[in-house]
Amino acid sequence: GAGVSQSPSNKVTEKGKDVELRCDPISGHTALYWYRQSLGQGLEFLIYFQGNSAPDKSGLPSDRFSAERTGGSVSTLTIQRTQQEDSAVYLCASSLGLAGVSDTQYFGPGTRLTVL
Amino acid sequence: SQKIEQNSEALNIQEGKTATLTCNYTNYSPAYLQWYRQDPGRGPVFLLLIRENEKEKRKERLKVTFDTTLKQSLFHITASQPADSATYLCALEDQTGANNLFFGTGTRLTVIP
Repeated sequence: GAGVSQSPSNKVTEKGKDVELRCDPISGHTALYWYRQSLGQGLEFLIYFQGNSAPDKSGLPSDRFSAERTGGSVSTLTIQRTQQEDSAVYLCASSLGLAGVSDTQYFGPGTRLTVL
Repeated sequence: SQKIEQNSEALNIQEGKTATLTCNYTNYSPAYLQWYRQDPGRGPVFLLLIRENEKEKRKERLKVTFDTTLKQSLFHITASQPADSATYLCALEDQTGANNLFFGTGTRLTVIP
């Protein structure tokens, strides 16, 4: 596709429910990133994929958060037993993933998650 | 602890003036630093990248400087226009880390006609 796409654009859920957020990166981009942006806050790094593997999961805030990537393309971020503090915009980005080279990240429009 | 601070949460300037935004970092050793623009309801968009061995980088009306001694980057928009109104984020990649970027909280710039 022309850019990074994310779905859904908005998600409202009840506390305790599980949610799945999807990211379609730019075709050919091997690196994929998930960030979280809370109101008035900067982007908080969650997880990074190179291909299908996740060498850096250090940003996941709790074990309720997990992510996977299949076929080196689409990624899903799953939040189990959602809490109100999970409410935020979840942003996905992709890049060429070239090792040792500064790599521009291209962001999707984000998924706004609201936990009631 | 590691920190990336952008000088102010909001900055208002008159159209035609030069806007200067500041990004200071602590306890990082970035190989490079990037600046992004974010409009409401959208993801950040890459603007400029400057490497640790570069002092200055320009792109049209944008200029970025990088001082690794001061641990600071300045982002300038000359001849500012109302269309430049947005939130500007600095981001850096720590040399010791993976390819993930660490972002500042951003400065919301408003250019007043």
